[in-house]
Amino acid sequence: EAGVAQSPRYKIIEKRQSVAFWCNPISGHATLYWYQQILGQGPKLLIQFQNNGVVDDSQLPKDRFSAERLKGVDSTLKIQPAKLEDSAVYLCASSSIGTGQALDFGNTIYFGEGSWLTVV
Amino acid sequence: GNSVTQMEGPVTLSEEAFLTINCTYTATGYPSLFWYVQYPGEGLQLLLKATKADDKGSNKGFEATYRKETTSFHLEKGSVQVSDSAVYFCALSGINAGGTSYGKLTFGQGTILTVHP
Repeated sequence: EAGVAQSPRYKIIEKRQSVAFWCNPISGHATLYWYQQILGQGPKLLIQFQNNGVVDDSQLPKDRFSAERLKGVDSTLKIQPAKLEDSAVYLCASSSIGTGQALDFGNTIYFGEGSWLTVV
Repeated sequence: GNSVTQMEGPVTLSEEAFLTINCTYTATGYPSLFWYVQYPGEGLQLLLKATKADDKGSNKGFEATYRKETTSFHLEKGSVQVSDSAVYFCALSGINAGGTSYGKLTFGQGTILTVHP
């Protein structure tokens, strides 16, 4: 079974520039997540999709971050304009969990290898 | 809100030593608890999980017991190997007011483990 695919793996940009990250979840997984992991911290959820609808984007800085999952499969996370504090690893994850289901019934969340962003 | 606190690292051990990484949580209801591991250059992988009080999750020699009375989920291994060197994350999946899962994870800050031969 293919895992969660992310690209690019590494990106260096100057502040105020824009960047986009792409994610292709595991086939058949309805739920897709974007997490931000700052060095030395645990991952923090930015946005959660169920198919092509947003379930939770309460921690997404909407003035500069946007994400979409137009066809309910792959997803793009964009940052514009980037700030120095956006330097982090952006993790995409997916799960077969459906609305209202519990993560305890075998609906494990699978993570990609991450996209490393450095803003200089 | 939900939160997870892990013991501060990094932790450095010799091979075959006993490992404990402490994890405590704050959550409403009855969350599910997880340990994830991140090996160098790789993505996060589920190590083990427990879904209710007194459950013990185990995998690859690692164990953790869901202790509701102390709101803890400490990770243990009796004899670590060099290959266990990684970052370990404790996480929970919270339950909303309606009693269903949010289907998302709240992570601790991670503990770096280095095992020397």
